[in-house]
Amino acid sequence: EVQVVESGGGLVQPGGSLRLSCAASGFPFSNFYMQWVRQAPGRGLVWVSRITSNGRSTTYADSVKGRFTISRDNAKNTLYLQMNSLRAEDTAVYYCTRERGGTYFDFWGPGTMVTVSS
Amino acid sequence: QSALTQPPAVSGSPGQSVTISCTGTSSDVDNYNRVSWYQQPPGIAPKLMIYDVSNRPSGVPDRFSGSKSGNTASLTISGLQAEDEADYYCSSNTSSNTWVFGGGTKLTVL
Repeated sequence: EVQVVESGGGLVQPGGSLRLSCAASGFPFSNFYMQWVRQAPGRGLVWVSRITSNGRSTTYADSVKGRFTISRDNAKNTLYLQMNSLRAEDTAVYYCTRERGGTYFDFWGPGTMVTVSS
Repeated sequence: QSALTQPPAVSGSPGQSVTISCTGTSSDVDNYNRVSWYQQPPGIAPKLMIYDVSNRPSGVPDRFSGSKSGNTASLTISGLQAEDEADYYCSSNTSSNTWVFGGGTKLTVL
C-alpha cells in the first residue's frame, strides 16, 4: 500500500526555521518526482515545490523561493522541506504528494501543521 | 502564478447532476491537457478524482467525469450522493513548469 506521512510541523516564531519530513513506503520512492502543497486554515490548496526523482532539479513557487529548500534522501525513502525566514503567511497544513505523469498528484499524506506566530 | 478561477459554491439534490468550472489562461489550462481534480472532505487530505482532463483513477466512480474547452475545464458529478459533499479543487501545469490550483468549490448536497 502506497503511503506518505509528513512530520516536523509545529509552532515557530516569525523569522525562525523548521524542517518537514515525509516518509514514503509501498512504492519505489527513487523512481518518482515528489511535491509539497500547502493549505492555510480555511483557504485553498497552494503549490509549493517540486523535486525530480534523482533530486538534481527543483522548482519553487515565487512566494517561497529563496526561503524554502526541497530535498530528498532516496536511501531513506524520505522527502524534506527546509523552511527558513518563516512568515505568518506560511502558516498552513503542508502536504507531501507523489507526482505522476508530470501532471498530477496521485497520493497525498495526511499533512502536518505549521504555525508561525509570536 | 494566479489561481485558477472556480465558483465558490455549488449545490444539488441527491440524484441530480452538478458541474464545477475551472477557468485558466493560455499559460495553463488552455495550452495543456494536464488538468486534474481533487476532492477534499472537511479535515481530510485531498484525493485525486480526475487526471489529464478526463481520466479517472481506479476506484473513482464513473459518476465523476471531466472535460475541457479552451481555457475552461469542468468536473461533472452525476447521480449526486450525500457522500459527494466536499470541497473540490482543479489544478494545472503551467508554461513555467510550476503548478497552480483553483480557489476551490464547496459542493453541498441538499
